Amino acid sequence: DAKTTQPPSMDCAEGRAANLPCNHSTISGNEYVYWYRQIHSQGPQYIIHGLKNNETNEMASLIITEDRKSSTLILPHATLRDTAVYYCIVRSADNQGGKLIFGQGTELSVKP
Amino acid sequence: DTGVSQDPRHKITKRGQNVTFRCDPISEHNRLYWYRQTLGQGPEFLTYFQNEAQLEKSRLLSDRFSAERPKGSFSTLEIQRTEQGDSAMYLCASSLEGANRKYFGPGTRLTVL
Repeated sequence: DAKTTQPPSMDCAEGRAANLPCNHSTISGNEYVYWYRQIHSQGPQYIIHGLKNNETNEMASLIITEDRKSSTLILPHATLRDTAVYYCIVRSADNQGGKLIFGQGTELSVKP
Repeated sequence: DTGVSQDPRHKITKRGQNVTFRCDPISEHNRLYWYRQTLGQGPEFLTYFQNEAQLEKSRLLSDRFSAERPKGSFSTLEIQRTEQGDSAMYLCASSLEGANRKYFGPGTRLTVL
């Protein structure tokens, strides 16, 4: 599975959009991009995933560049409860076991 | 859907003691994963089960660690002769085979004195 690079920390003002970048320049054609987040003292929580196209759900939007070498997770109206560590993970469709390889993630602080 | 539960939530033990943790996955999920997370790091994969079969083990899972899922439902993770380096959060996750989304439990925080 390809490696990802994320900034260690970011701040965002409450009510504003939080844009979290992820670099995965070695991604291959059958690898998906997943985002999970981990609020303090809780287990990780799935947010969204995508292959090529942009995706949106009730939690967030995922924008994947055309060359697929990077992506951005967008929380459109961040709240204090969105303060968490956000993990960008690349996983191959051939990874039959489905295990996730986590990096160190981005610690997002949403401030009032 | 009651979610993934783990027991206990916290465990303090002395070095050299054995400890056992339990994970109850979401009831229809046939895959179950164990991860370990130390302070400031992302979770690290330890092992996973499909039904009762343990299909993959990480090199992190030393001989002192053993995991079981005897009836394909709940799972236990045992650590024998604990060491201070075993202090971590132990996370369990479950999913359906082929599903994209994994559901994590709240974790068991182990402190070895």
